[in-house]
Amino acid sequence: SQTIHQWPATLVQPVGSPLSLECTVEGTSNPNLYWYRQAAGRGLQLLFYSVGIGQISSEVPQNLSASRPQDRQFILSSKKLLLSDSGFYLCAWSPRSRTNQPQHFGDGTRLSIL
Amino acid sequence: DAKTTQPNSMESNEEEPVHLPCNHSTISGTDYIHWYRQLPSQGPEYVIHGLTSNVNNRMASLAIAEDRKSSTLILHRATLRDAAVYYCILRVYNNNDMRFGAGTRLTVKP
Repeated sequence: SQTIHQWPATLVQPVGSPLSLECTVEGTSNPNLYWYRQAAGRGLQLLFYSVGIGQISSEVPQNLSASRPQDRQFILSSKKLLLSDSGFYLCAWSPRSRTNQPQHFGDGTRLSIL
Repeated sequence: DAKTTQPNSMESNEEEPVHLPCNHSTISGTDYIHWYRQLPSQGPEYVIHGLTSNVNNRMASLAIAEDRKSSTLILHRATLRDAAVYYCILRVYNNNDMRFGAGTRLTVKP
């Protein structure tokens, strides 16, 4: 069966510090991968998605970037965090070979910026 | 983009059926209706999706209006574990973008 792992579960970072959140998927090949952010009490906002190694699409201009160095690895990064980067970050995957398939989410990383 | 409208919150008693409504009056012919739910401090969980016909799975049923301008997620017997925020999402065929609204917060009372 397929599983998705995100770490860390919680993170507290000072303003201006760098960020690296990692997401890995097991049990599937060539997945579509996604990064979402959820502000407190709000719905999810799609940040990035990827259909293959090195292929990243950005949905909103922001202080963050994403990379996909391996087929089942998706990384969210920032060089200098802002207070507005606080939130709940979620990684998700879906099968690439089939259209309109459900997305499967990890348990998220709760990021607090001080 | 077609949008969805859901009540902010609903309450249900344990072991009773729950009908969660969603309005999507601007839905287009290629939009699929997806439902996800999110338990506290967890990522969203896929529940069900459909295009035109009603759908059933082990978690729930999805009833889609004939004009497709509304749909209803049906939990046949609510349990305490069904307490969550339920999101109704329109997803364009073969599109990676899923736009989550605020959803409906379901409270299940014992």
